[in-house]
Amino acid sequence: QKEVEQDPGPLSVPEGAIVSLNCTYSNSAFQYFMWYRQYSRKGPELLMYTYSSGNKEDGRFTAQVDKSSKYISLFIRDSQPSDSATYLCAMSGRTYKYIFGTGTRLKVLA
Amino acid sequence: GAVVSQHPSRVICKSGTSVKIECRSLDFQATTMFWYRQFPKQSLMLMATSNEGSKATYEQGVEKDKFLINHASLTLSTLTVTSAHPEDSSFYICSAGETGALEGYTFGSGTRLTVV
Repeated sequence: QKEVEQDPGPLSVPEGAIVSLNCTYSNSAFQYFMWYRQYSRKGPELLMYTYSSGNKEDGRFTAQVDKSSKYISLFIRDSQPSDSATYLCAMSGRTYKYIFGTGTRLKVLA
Repeated sequence: GAVVSQHPSRVICKSGTSVKIECRSLDFQATTMFWYRQFPKQSLMLMATSNEGSKATYEQGVEKDKFLINHASLTLSTLTVTSAHPEDSSFYICSAGETGALEGYTFGSGTRLTVV
């Protein structure tokens, strides 16, 4: 079993839809949870960072962490074609070592 | 915000030659830099961690003599792929941050290496 599981997609949604992206993990020591966006042939860009459980909102993006279920989510409201990218979850314990999901490819159709 | 510059963005080299990839932090001091490799449709795999002024720490299965890492200053780390082979073709990405900055490091734009 992988430490971090993420559905690779692709996920296609119409413009304006609410997108839900998810990751599950097995290591209960993870405390830091990140979501990155990666456009084709580019490096990942940090979108959201959450420490421990709870919700965090930033504009159209909301990150949720449920440590009891070992489940994290990223919601994108009013999705736009420019949101089309691969979204990677990443997490770590008390060290610098991030474990990444495989990424979910999202396509927002105009 | 923090910016990490990575060069070159693409490189094609002949089998058996060496390739150097640079990673620079432009507006902050990167005490720690990380090198990742990403294969198509796969997650980023950490190859090694370098701290300024000390030897890099390599992940299990990564050949130290093949992937030479130098972190000579607080703003520059280099990855040299020595005696490259076609199976080394991949997307290499660096990230950088200040030690202890667990809330997300900044990534470079990546280098697409093709070995022919």
